Amino acid sequence: DGGITQSPKYLFRKEGQNVTLSCEQNLNHDAMYWYRQDPGQGLRLIYYSQIVNDFQKGDIAEGYSVSREKKESFPLTVTSAQKNPTAFYLCASSIAPGEETQYFGPGTRLLVL
Amino acid sequence: SQQGEEDPQALSIQEGENATMNCSYKTSINNLQWYRQNSGRGLVHLILIRSNEREKHSGRLRVTLDTSKKSSSLLITASRAADTASYFCATDYFSGAGSYQLTFGKGTKLSVIP
Repeated sequence: DGGITQSPKYLFRKEGQNVTLSCEQNLNHDAMYWYRQDPGQGLRLIYYSQIVNDFQKGDIAEGYSVSREKKESFPLTVTSAQKNPTAFYLCASSIAPGEETQYFGPGTRLLVL
Repeated sequence: SQQGEEDPQALSIQEGENATMNCSYKTSINNLQWYRQNSGRGLVHLILIRSNEREKHSGRLRVTLDTSKKSSSLLITASRAADTASYFCATDYFSGAGSYQLTFGKGTKLSVIP
């Protein structure tokens, strides 16, 4: 999966709880992305970051938050405001923002207890 | 912002046959990419074709792009059981924050029967 690691592989969230998904890359890429994938669906962009200390909302940012304090790390927090968090979450990175090829991590499956 | 749409949704073929998947999109693009996803895994980039290209090859993969029809096709020749996966097309769009982002279709689920 191209130098991007995501942890954990499975994550369980209780009602009202915030959980954080980890994403680390050793590819020296500037841009990083978080996507959500629901069964039988394509990927929807949650947040993206073009450079350290900067990030932008994607199409479905409500109920999620991110930080980009280091180039190699882009954690995603699923907050209690996200009422339907059960999904497969994919992190990706690219050399530069925009149209370049994206490299994906193995994903984290989030389930609600 | 999903604008790519793959067709068919599912495809089942015998090993050794060719598999063709199509992608249609709505607005003009700079490039179109195809990705593969094995069940429960991340996506893997297969091939990128730019808007000024009509055809591109990579191993057993052949991609065509018709910008006048806003469509692309992915052909996998001499399919193998290991090609069983979902295949997604991705097109770029201007996000309004000074950069282009990718939008993905819902994918074609390919099953290759040994």
